[in-house]
Amino acid sequence: GQNIDQPTEMTATEGAIVQINCTYQTSGFNGLFWYQQHAGEAPTFLSYNVLDGLEEKGRFSSFLSRSKGYSYLLLKELQMKDSASYLCASLDSNYQLIWGAGTKLIIKP
Amino acid sequence: EAGVVQSPRYKIIEKKQPVAFWCNPISGHNTLYWYLQNLGQGPELLIRYENEEAVDDSQLPKDRFSAERLKGVDSTLKIQPAELGDSAVYLCASSTGTVTGELFFGEGSRLTVL
Repeated sequence: GQNIDQPTEMTATEGAIVQINCTYQTSGFNGLFWYQQHAGEAPTFLSYNVLDGLEEKGRFSSFLSRSKGYSYLLLKELQMKDSASYLCASLDSNYQLIWGAGTKLIIKP
Repeated sequence: EAGVVQSPRYKIIEKKQPVAFWCNPISGHNTLYWYLQNLGQGPELLIRYENEEAVDDSQLPKDRFSAERLKGVDSTLKIQPAELGDSAVYLCASSTGTVTGELFFGEGSRLTVL
């Protein structure tokens, strides 16, 4: 079966760094996505990785290891507005997105 | 550029009643998706359109759910009759193509079935 695993909830301090992990098992692989979703709002695109390695985009970076079926989202210099759910999704061989349940990130002052 | 527009934002109905949701995707986006999202869960695909054609409706409960995308632009998702378990947020998303994966979501329609 297809499965995406990510922690349900994480807590971090404003100004700190947090890493949100995601492991995936899908039928084929065509890329790994991270989306941010604030409470009561729609998901918004953060990053896309299809090759191994780290992709940096401002305060956010995303890493992929295809051999390990593993990705992480790294958030630096945390701000209160980063409090949200972070959704990991894998694009399978049929180009269908398989979504994780999301990680709720709580930022404390 | 206008984003994905959905209506209504909120809908409260009694069970067994019908309900319909409307979505207007971003101009030029050929691919349109309807997702269902429960609290604390990721989106679950209901149906995916490429222009007017429903290319993936395997997860759509066809006994009570129906969808259409006339002229390959706007789309409507209908539930008839609604059940208590249908309470959720219904998200519409669009993209330029299936391989990119970058979806642009509307704000969603929150359905409460009493």
